[in-house]
Amino acid sequence: DVKVTQSSRYLVKRTGEKVFLECVQDMDHENMFWYRQDPGLGLRLIYFSYDVKMKEKGDIPEGYSVSREKKERFSLILESASTNQTSMYLCASSLWGTSNTGELFFGEGSRLTVL
Amino acid sequence: GQNIDQPTEMTATEGAIVQINCTYQTSGFNGLFWYQQHAGEAPTFLSYNVLDGLEEKGRFSSFLSRSKGYSYLLLKELQMKDSASYLCAPLDSNYQLIWGAGTKLIIKP
Repeated sequence: DVKVTQSSRYLVKRTGEKVFLECVQDMDHENMFWYRQDPGLGLRLIYFSYDVKMKEKGDIPEGYSVSREKKERFSLILESASTNQTSMYLCASSLWGTSNTGELFFGEGSRLTVL
Repeated sequence: GQNIDQPTEMTATEGAIVQINCTYQTSGFNGLFWYQQHAGEAPTFLSYNVLDGLEEKGRFSSFLSRSKGYSYLLLKELQMKDSASYLCAPLDSNYQLIWGAGTKLIIKP
């Protein structure tokens, strides 16, 4: 079974703090993604990566950065957390580009509250 | 612009059939996914359609009409565990998923 693991299920941080959200997948997937999910809205793509040390901006990259030093790990960084970044953060991976349908495998999510 | 439209909430009875509709407008099209998401959990893959027609997988079926920009998810023999949100997500010309806000399905006994 594909497993995508996010380091923290629940975090509470203060405005201005630096926040790291870690994501690890164990199926050698090339593609990894970070989304945020807010009530009444669809998932919104923050950043994605198709390979090690490669990153691409999604729809809402402002206020975020990412790091992919190893194939299995994709980190999301909030340099200076703000209250409008309170949200559920979902990491996902996929094998798109092979015979697979490209379905996403999601982690359990990290619910971040910024006070 | 790109747009996904699906009902916000639907209610159905255990044992019945329900159809969740999704209309979409995207820049290009490379197939459409349906995901299920239980409250407080991550989305899980249900189906992928790239050609017109109906794909059946057990109690769940998914239909696509590319010319109409329309898809639906059909759930038969509803069970209480089917209470969840159902997310429609077409792939655009850049192979990026465009996510709808989801349809919350409530199953009543």
